Amino acid sequence: SAVISQKPSRDICQRGTSLTIQCQVDSQVTMMFWYRQQPGQSLTLIATANQGSEATYESGFVIDKFPISRPNLTFSTLTVSNMSPEDSSIYLCSVNRGLGGYTFGSGTRLTVV
Amino acid sequence: GENVEQHPSTLSVQEGDSAVIKCTYSDSASNYFPWYKQELGKRPQLIIDIRSNVGEKKDQRIAVTLNKTAKHFSLHITETQPEDSAVYFCAASEPNTGNQFYFGTGTSLTVIP
Repeated sequence: SAVISQKPSRDICQRGTSLTIQCQVDSQVTMMFWYRQQPGQSLTLIATANQGSEATYESGFVIDKFPISRPNLTFSTLTVSNMSPEDSSIYLCSVNRGLGGYTFGSGTRLTVV
Repeated sequence: GENVEQHPSTLSVQEGDSAVIKCTYSDSASNYFPWYKQELGKRPQLIIDIRSNVGEKKDQRIAVTLNKTAKHFSLHITETQPEDSAVYFCAASEPNTGNQFYFGTGTSLTVIP
């Protein structure tokens, strides 16, 4: 099964700044997914990152706010841009393990002050 | 797109009793239904899953049932233990969306010793 290393694990950021979250997978995967989990809420898909093409964003999420990179089949980054306190949340990357469902990174707990 | 509803949002049971969490989905094309357990401050972990060609699956104290006609599936935990206390998420996935997962809103289960 895939192992995902996600960092940073947590950060406290000033409003108006940007934070880039990194996910490294120990095997090649076609698609990587980025989720947001607000306090006490379910997981909301932000976007799907495919290697070699632009990410596909879900309704309510735009590339200018959440730019994603996918330079190869084992790595992806999500940037939270021009942050506001409403962006305080846990951000998780995940990969599809095929028949075994999704594996999630350990998450990044972001607090915007 | 797919819409997954989950009930109840909170559930308290006495240790040793059974717990049942129910989910419904809207897209008849969905064919994969995993359940995730998320302990406080940790990433979601897959605990059991079921595919649309199967009506029931069991793994020790946990089982999942699927009714494709009614478009609902349920998680059953028997002989509950305090360590079962967590938030549980159901999800549905259909191949036409690249196997993206659509999560339910979560159930916070508390097992009272």
